[in-house]
Amino acid sequence: GDSVTQTEGQVTVSESKSLIINCTYSATSIGYPNLFWYVRYPGEGLQLLLKVITAGQKGSSRGFEATYNKEATSFHLQKASVQESDSAVYYCALSETASSGQKLVFGQGTILKVYL
Amino acid sequence: ETAVFQTPNYHVTQVGNEVSFNCKQTLGHDTMYWYKQDSKKLLKIMFSYNNKQLIVNETVPRRFSPQSSDKAHLNLRIKSVEPEDSAVYLCASSLDRVYEQYFGPGTRLTVL
Repeated sequence: GDSVTQTEGQVTVSESKSLIINCTYSATSIGYPNLFWYVRYPGEGLQLLLKVITAGQKGSSRGFEATYNKEATSFHLQKASVQESDSAVYYCALSETASSGQKLVFGQGTILKVYL
Repeated sequence: ETAVFQTPNYHVTQVGNEVSFNCKQTLGHDTMYWYKQDSKKLLKIMFSYNNKQLIVNETVPRRFSPQSSDKAHLNLRIKSVEPEDSAVYLCASSLDRVYEQYFGPGTRLTVL
């Protein structure tokens, strides 16, 4: 079946430093899935950060960027300068569509801790 | 702004009991979902409903059953809970089947 892998369980970064959270996927049931980053801030529900539905395109939101790389089957999340308020749990996900209806397949999540 | 509501926030029960969780969305969406997040923080889909019809039913134990009265509500009943059912259950909704999903805050179930 389809799967998403986030290699880092936790990332700790100093404020104003750059960030990259790795995400790779395997989509056997569908050639070009939609790709998402979701985020859960402390005390809040899971919310969409950004999405990209076309291979080769880049999505961006709140200073974060991710590029849909179908050759590398990757969708890494990057930010040039993190803030303490970015501390949260980040989930990479893909969606399987078509006749079975949409369902999201999530990675394991990466806890981001930003310190001053 | 919360638009997917779940009740209760927490529930503690004993093995063998029946529990029911409620989910309501006010976004006018026509597709709703239940996900389970286990102790390892893995999020997996359980059910998906589109216009009150089941369209995705992952391999979950038969003691789990979704219940939909209309497209704004999707409840989850667990007939006889087991210890491995301890988890956070997340409800979500989307407009049709291909748009991004909006999640509720979750219901944390603890089975003693």
